[in-house]
Amino acid sequence: SYELTQPLSVSVALGQTARITCGGNDIVTKNVHWYQQKPGQAPVVVIYRDDNRPSGIPERFSGSNSGNTATLTISRAQAGDEAVYYCQVWDTIVVFGGGTELTVL
Amino acid sequence: EVQLVESGGGLVQPGGSLRLSCAASGFTFNNHAMTWVRQAPGKGLEWVSGISSSAGHTYEADSVKGRFTISRDNSKDTLYLQMNSLRAEDTAVYYCAKDNGGSGDWYFDLWGRGTLVTVSS
Repeated sequence: SYELTQPLSVSVALGQTARITCGGNDIVTKNVHWYQQKPGQAPVVVIYRDDNRPSGIPERFSGSNSGNTATLTISRAQAGDEAVYYCQVWDTIVVFGGGTELTVL
Repeated sequence: EVQLVESGGGLVQPGGSLRLSCAASGFTFNNHAMTWVRQAPGKGLEWVSGISSSAGHTYEADSVKGRFTISRDNSKDTLYLQMNSLRAEDTAVYYCAKDNGGSGDWYFDLWGRGTLVTVSS
């Protein structure tokens, strides 16, 4: 079965750029989606199909996908961006990464 | 209002059964595949099961295959999850979610608030 690997945690200074990776075998051949989940809340999609932002998601959120790694980039990080971020792909079933906790220092 | 509202969670003994429901509103339910995702306490998201818009295709994670059954009633705009032979490791918040990706590219743009299932004696 297909596996997605994410770092457990990422820290970023306030106002700087955070990058969260999602590793998978030849992941470039798949569409990668990213979700943000804050404590006690349901997940929210922040990037779909590698690099598309749903309406209402700030332009500070962007995505890329190349080789064996997809990346969620959060520019000008804010305290409100603190959350757990999950990547997800479709591989005959839905597959989620293990999640990355983002801390804004 | 566009929303999904889950119900049916609760405390159940190991080996017991439970049926979750997810009521949809504000969008054309029968145009979208739907899915169940769960989250054990303090853990990450785990996909459980999905169903195509017409209910012609269903998909299950290996961890629930043979025990859980997903279904939908498009006349009632409602998604279901029948859970049998429940185990302690099934304890989680169960979310229903709406697919917006289409065939072969599921991603979820609308989630419910979740319903808690606790399996314990």
